Amino acid sequence: GESVGLHLPTLSVQEGDNSIINCAYSNSASDYFIWYKQESGKGPQFIIDIRSNMDKRQGQRVTVLLNKTVKHLSLQIAATQPGDSAVYFCAESNTGNQFYFGTGTSLTVIP
Amino acid sequence: GAGVSQSPSNKVTEKGKDVELRCDPISGHTALYWYRQRLGQGLEFLIYFQGNSAPDKSGLPSDRFSAERTGESVSTLTIQRTQQEDSAVYLCASSLGLALEQFFGPGTRLTVL
Repeated sequence: GESVGLHLPTLSVQEGDNSIINCAYSNSASDYFIWYKQESGKGPQFIIDIRSNMDKRQGQRVTVLLNKTVKHLSLQIAATQPGDSAVYFCAESNTGNQFYFGTGTSLTVIP
Repeated sequence: GAGVSQSPSNKVTEKGKDVELRCDPISGHTALYWYRQRLGQGLEFLIYFQGNSAPDKSGLPSDRFSAERTGESVSTLTIQRTQQEDSAVYLCASSLGLALEQFFGPGTRLTVL
């Protein structure tokens, strides 16, 4: 996942713009990836997942891209809204039982 | 029904005391996970239960940490002789099975003075 540290990477975007949040994972054997959104004071909430046999998956306003060659995952949010402000985590798994989470990226949407 | 619930929502304790954190998973979910989240950091895997299989305890940071699950229902995470570095939010999640979407509870914020 993302590098572990005391300070979250941050991303600020204007309302209505598209957001791209990136995640580098370390285990080439990982075959299942999830993006979570965590609002302040709440537990993480599932956004979208992707398995390693896919390169792209789309949901409502969100798209996840997987590049296995460089072990990179990204989350694209279209037409970002104030309610999208949160911390976003990627998680990887290669066994299905243990998930490894990155540090997270804090997204702030500017009205 | 309801989602994953955890209790208490906040716990303040003194160093050296034992604490018990409770998780009620979504009914029917066979897999249950515990995570620790320190301030400003990602989720740290602690332990998971899957059906009647032996739990995977590989993420527990020390022998002061233990967890139990009754069948496919309630789980308790116990921290003995708490230390200040145990202060964190403890999150529980459940899923229908392995490699499937995990549903998280709101967490228990533990503060060790």
